[in-house]
Amino acid sequence: GAGVSQTPSNKVTEKGKYVELRCDPISGHTALYWYRQSLGQGPEFLIYFQGTGAADDSGLPNDRFFAVRPEGSVSTLKIQRTERGDSAVYLCASSFGSGANVLTFGAGSRLTVL
Amino acid sequence: GENVEQHPSTLSVQEGDSAVIKCTYSDSASNYFPWYKQELGKGPQLIIDIRSNVGEKKDQRIAVTLNKTAKHFSLHITETQPEDSAVYFCAASLEYSGGGADGLTFGKGTHLIIQP
Repeated sequence: GAGVSQTPSNKVTEKGKYVELRCDPISGHTALYWYRQSLGQGPEFLIYFQGTGAADDSGLPNDRFFAVRPEGSVSTLKIQRTERGDSAVYLCASSFGSGANVLTFGAGSRLTVL
Repeated sequence: GENVEQHPSTLSVQEGDSAVIKCTYSDSASNYFPWYKQELGKGPQLIIDIRSNVGEKKDQRIAVTLNKTAKHFSLHITETQPEDSAVYFCAASLEYSGGGADGLTFGKGTHLIIQP
């Protein structure tokens, strides 16, 4: 597609539930990133994929968070046993080439945990 | 790890005037410094970036300056227009010469308001 697509745009869930957020990067972009943005803050790095493998997952806050990119294109961010503190906008970005930092962001998935 | 501080948090300027947003970073190894513009309900959009082998870069009404010794960089917008109103984020990261890069560390953002 023309841009980075994220679904759902909004997700409301209850504390303790499991959530999946999907990202479709720009076609041909080999690098894919997940960031989390809380209200009034800058995006916070979570994980970076180069192809199918997670090149850097140092930003994942704990083992309730997991992300996959099985075919090197679409990625899914998975959050288990959601907590109210997980409420934020989850941003996906992609870039062309290895380690290129010129990121194109999607509009984000707004997660609200009640 | 890297820490990026951004000031001011809110900036209001008259249309046609200039706006300056400043950032400092902590990790002297960082060598890539982008600026992003985020409008309400949208993801951040790259507007300009600079790498540490240059001190200044300009693109029409937007310029970025970098002082590696002092570890600070600034965004300058001249002849501001209403459509410049948005939240602006600075960021820093380390790009490796052999390929690969650390994730971007963002500042907390500046809400720029252009008064008509």
